[in-house]
Amino acid sequence: QVQLQQWGAGLLKPSETLSLTCAVYGGSFNGYYWSWIRQPPGKGLEWIGEINDSGSTNYNPSLKSRVTMSVDTSKNQFSLKLNSVTAADTAVYYCAREDCSDGTCHDFDYWGQGTLVTVSS
Amino acid sequence: EIVLTQSPGTLSLSPGERATLSCRASQSVSSNYLAWYQQKAGQAPRLLIYSASSRASGIPGRFSGSGSGTDFTLTISRLEPEDFAVYYCQQYGGSPLYTFGQGTKLEIK
Repeated sequence: QVQLQQWGAGLLKPSETLSLTCAVYGGSFNGYYWSWIRQPPGKGLEWIGEINDSGSTNYNPSLKSRVTMSVDTSKNQFSLKLNSVTAADTAVYYCAREDCSDGTCHDFDYWGQGTLVTVSS
Repeated sequence: EIVLTQSPGTLSLSPGERATLSCRASQSVSSNYLAWYQQKAGQAPRLLIYSASSRASGIPGRFSGSGSGTDFTLTISRLEPEDFAVYYCQQYGGSPLYTFGQGTKLEIK
């Protein structure tokens, strides 16, 4: 059974850098794309970006200038950094595995537990 | 950007009734890569339907998806108490690669 476990700082000040890591247990890490998705309190879901085991990335254009994703295949982990955060970045952040069962990755079949990140001075 | 619009915003029904949720895309969804998720308070979303009409692993048969192009529907044939939650649709293939609808809240009448 695939499990994603995520962690990172939950309280940031404006202009600081958000940093989260997600570890994958119980399944293959290679051959998939891995995504970060966020959800502001009481609102909907926003895709932040994806990375695969080779380090190839795709980011949401709305966040691209502030986002960096990385991968550590030796630990089956991937990470998110979002710099220059503001109150608008306050959200629950999820890591997720993209379902690539038919050769194209097109939805999210496993999710982390979520991390609430609050940006406040 | 492909914008997904879900309707209604809130749906009030009783257990045992049939629920029909709609998701309309601003342009055609590539290869009908349209998924549906269920989210309960304090939990991560759970994948229900992928590729418009395929049930994800472990999802009960009362959940079904249909549609193509720009109009998609999630149907819950007979509501169980545990089905009351927020439902999101999601598409793949535009720019950004993934977008979500704003959600439909299914509440007990």
